[in-house]
Amino acid sequence: GAGVSQSPSNKVTEKGKDVELRCDPISGHTALYWYRQSLGQGLEFLIYFQGNSAPDKSGLPSDRFSAERTGGSVSTLTIQRTQQEDSAVYLCASSLSRGHSSGAFFGQGTRLTVV
Amino acid sequence: GENVEQHPSTLSVQEGDSAVIKCTYSDSASNYFPWYKQELGKGPQLIIDIRSNVGEKKDQRIAVTLNKTAKHFSLHITETQPEDSAVYFCAARSTDKLIFGTGTRLQVFP
Repeated sequence: GAGVSQSPSNKVTEKGKDVELRCDPISGHTALYWYRQSLGQGLEFLIYFQGNSAPDKSGLPSDRFSAERTGGSVSTLTIQRTQQEDSAVYLCASSLSRGHSSGAFFGQGTRLTVV
Repeated sequence: GENVEQHPSTLSVQEGDSAVIKCTYSDSASNYFPWYKQELGKGPQLIIDIRSNVGEKKDQRIAVTLNKTAKHFSLHITETQPEDSAVYFCAARSTDKLIFGTGTRLQVFP
């Protein structure tokens, strides 16, 4: 596609359930990032994938959070046993090369609400 | 790790006036500084960026300046228009991660 695509755009889930958020990066982009944005707040780094290298998971807030990137393209962010504090917009970004040096492009985000 | 501070948190200007948003960073090794505009309900959009070997960059009504010695960089918007109203984020690249400032909500009044 022309841009980064995220699905679903909105997700409401019950506390304790697992959720999966999907990101389709721009074709050919080797770097992929997940960020979290709480209401009215800045962007919190979660995880970074670059090519076939081991991902940088240093931003994941707990072991309930995990992410995969299959075939160097699509990525899935999984949150297990969701808590109310997980409610936020989850943003995915991709860039042509490592470290955003060529500019990073964001998707529209997935708004997660845990009730 | 990198820490990025951004000021002001809110900024209101009259249409046609200029707006300036300032950021400071802590990691002297940071070498790439993009600015993003985020409109309500949308993802951040890259509007301009600057690399550490450049002091200033302009794109129509938008300019960014970088002072590596002082470790600060600024976004300048001239001749502001109501459609410039949005939240603006600065960021600095450190060890392959983009670390973002906390954002500035810009309101341009007609």
